[in-house]
Amino acid sequence: GAGVSQSPSNKVTEKGKDVELRCDPISGHTALYWYRQSLGQGLEFLIYFQGNSAPDKSGLPSDRFSAERTGGSVSTLTIQRTQQEDSAVYLCASSFPGPAGQFFGPGTRLTVL
Amino acid sequence: GENVEQHPSTLSVQEGDSAVIKCTYSDSASNYFPWYKQELGKGPQLIIDIRSNVGEKKDQRIAVTLNKTAKHFSLHITETQPEDSAVYFCAAPKGGGATNKLIFGTGTLLAVQP
Repeated sequence: GAGVSQSPSNKVTEKGKDVELRCDPISGHTALYWYRQSLGQGLEFLIYFQGNSAPDKSGLPSDRFSAERTGGSVSTLTIQRTQQEDSAVYLCASSFPGPAGQFFGPGTRLTVL
Repeated sequence: GENVEQHPSTLSVQEGDSAVIKCTYSDSASNYFPWYKQELGKGPQLIIDIRSNVGEKKDQRIAVTLNKTAKHFSLHITETQPEDSAVYFCAAPKGGGATNKLIFGTGTLLAVQP
């Protein structure tokens, strides 16, 4: 079946602009996660959605970052007033409830000039 | 909270040799331990996982062992091939498995020399 998809695959923007990154999780997965990965680094947790519960936003680095998940499916990560330090690969993952393997999308490479 | 440490950070082996990557965790309540492989330019891919009710799990050339007493788990790759070259991440659940959130290790860059 289809895996996690993300769009765009690459995004180049100018400092100060807003960007939206999209994630389509695997059908039936109620949990959705966003991570950030800087070049050669590990995975930095950003935000986690589980069903209809309030999202866990504890990993968002600043109030310029926000995310929504509509209808328990598609999610959008928004970065306002982008800064050069926001440049990274943004990864989305989804999973079933409970301790379970997370399945990752291919990521969106964001470059802020 | 959970803390996951991963070693080594880089590992170079000859094709056909075995590779072992080790991770330790801090929360004794943790009950699920996945391993991910990330190739250049791609998202991490789940390759094997183990739950705390077993001590070892194998899938062809890949195996994972878990020592709950010592709170460490290891990834073993036998008969390594050049296509095994990638970054490998271990993970453990934050909150001991009470939530879906995973804490990832810092990664191991495995290079298999032909």
